[in-house]
Amino acid sequence: EDKVVQSPLSLVVHEGDTVTLNCSYEVTNFRSLLWYKQEKKAPTFLFMLTSSGIEKKSGRLSSILDKKELFSILNITATQTGDSAIYLCAVEKSSGDKLTFGTGTRLAVRP
Amino acid sequence: NAGVTQTPKFQVLKTGQSMTLQCAQDMNHNSMYWYRQDPGMGLRLIYYSASEGTTDKGEVPNGYNVSRLNKREFSLRLESAAPSQTSVYFCASSVGGLLEQYFGPGTRLTVT
Repeated sequence: EDKVVQSPLSLVVHEGDTVTLNCSYEVTNFRSLLWYKQEKKAPTFLFMLTSSGIEKKSGRLSSILDKKELFSILNITATQTGDSAIYLCAVEKSSGDKLTFGTGTRLAVRP
Repeated sequence: NAGVTQTPKFQVLKTGQSMTLQCAQDMNHNSMYWYRQDPGMGLRLIYYSASEGTTDKGEVPNGYNVSRLNKREFSLRLESAAPSQTSVYFCASSVGGLLEQYFGPGTRLTVT
């Protein structure tokens, strides 16, 4: 059975801290791993990772994939209160268009 | 572009009632999806449609039916609602292949 596990489940930090969110997976025929940010409503896309060892970066957010060890991390540096959200990791298989989501990490950034 | 739209935003049903959740996208995407999100469970795929005219079951299809009416619209029907179907429902779409999914704003459904 396909599995996507995120850790920690929740995290509270102060503005300016750096956080690392983890996502490990067990799926057959892996194709890509995606990160989403969910604030009050719909998840919004952050990154898609398909190749091992290549960092994707967008401002203070970055992510990297390790296909050998089957995990990805999402880093957020100099956190701001606007980074407070649930961060979702999802894995896509090569056999179809489906995504399998993890349960998410709830991040709270205090002023 | 409105992106992905969903109606209604909120709905309360009694056990046994039926209803249809509507979803539409204006991005000319091929693939559309229905998810439910419950506390501690993440997003779980109910049904998806890889292209107009096709639908497939996801992880939790029991109690639901779908219709891919045309390329733009993908509806989700609850024939006989149960309290276990209380959840937030998200519709999403993607071009297909390796591209990301875009989500609608969600429908909060309560079944009493």
